[in-house]
Amino acid sequence: EAQVTQNPRYLITVTGKKLTVTCSQNMNHEYMSWYRQDPGLGLRQIYYSMNVEVTDKGDVPEGYKVSRKEKRNFPLILESPSPNQTSLYFCASSLVGYAETQYFGPGTRLLVL
Amino acid sequence: AQTVTQSQPEMSVQEAETVTLSCTYDTSENNYYLFWYKQPPSRQMILVIRQEAYKQQNATENRFSVNFQKAAKSFSLKISDSQLGDTAMYFCAFMIKAAGNKLTFGGGTRVLVKP
Repeated sequence: EAQVTQNPRYLITVTGKKLTVTCSQNMNHEYMSWYRQDPGLGLRQIYYSMNVEVTDKGDVPEGYKVSRKEKRNFPLILESPSPNQTSLYFCASSLVGYAETQYFGPGTRLLVL
Repeated sequence: AQTVTQSQPEMSVQEAETVTLSCTYDTSENNYYLFWYKQPPSRQMILVIRQEAYKQQNATENRFSVNFQKAAKSFSLKISDSQLGDTAMYFCAFMIKAAGNKLTFGGGTRVLVKP
């Protein structure tokens, strides 16, 4: 089954404790992206990657890091989480190309205390 | 900057009736796509319908249709014969060619279908 998976689905942590949210896709997509969803703001792009070893900032990259060492994986790293990073996070992937359909993961609910 | 505005935070509709969700956007680009995504309580993002800006004919997918008014930069979604399974958050989004695959989303409209 073609899908995007994220782990963990739920995470409660404390301020300053480094964490990683994994994202993996099995569709051989070049493009991958991370979004965060907050009430009233919709989804906003954090980082994206057009291919292996190629990443770039989205609209809200502060406090986040990413890496793309393999085509299928695109982890999101929070080196020192803060309460304002409490949010719902989505990973998405697609073929590279204008208006290619993006496939979303199931979301990761993060609470930073 | 590209922006998407959904002015209705919440809407309710009786089962089998019709509801229309509004969306306006702002861009100086001419080449773009518009989308409506559904997010049910499971939180999964599901593509409902898409519209290319160059196509004048409004897109339709079963009970879902759009009213695309390019000059007014308006892209409303009509849900006909509403079903209980349509209860969800709905997001309007667009993608401009110059920004690659990036989706810009509105704030969302929560739709509640009542039995």
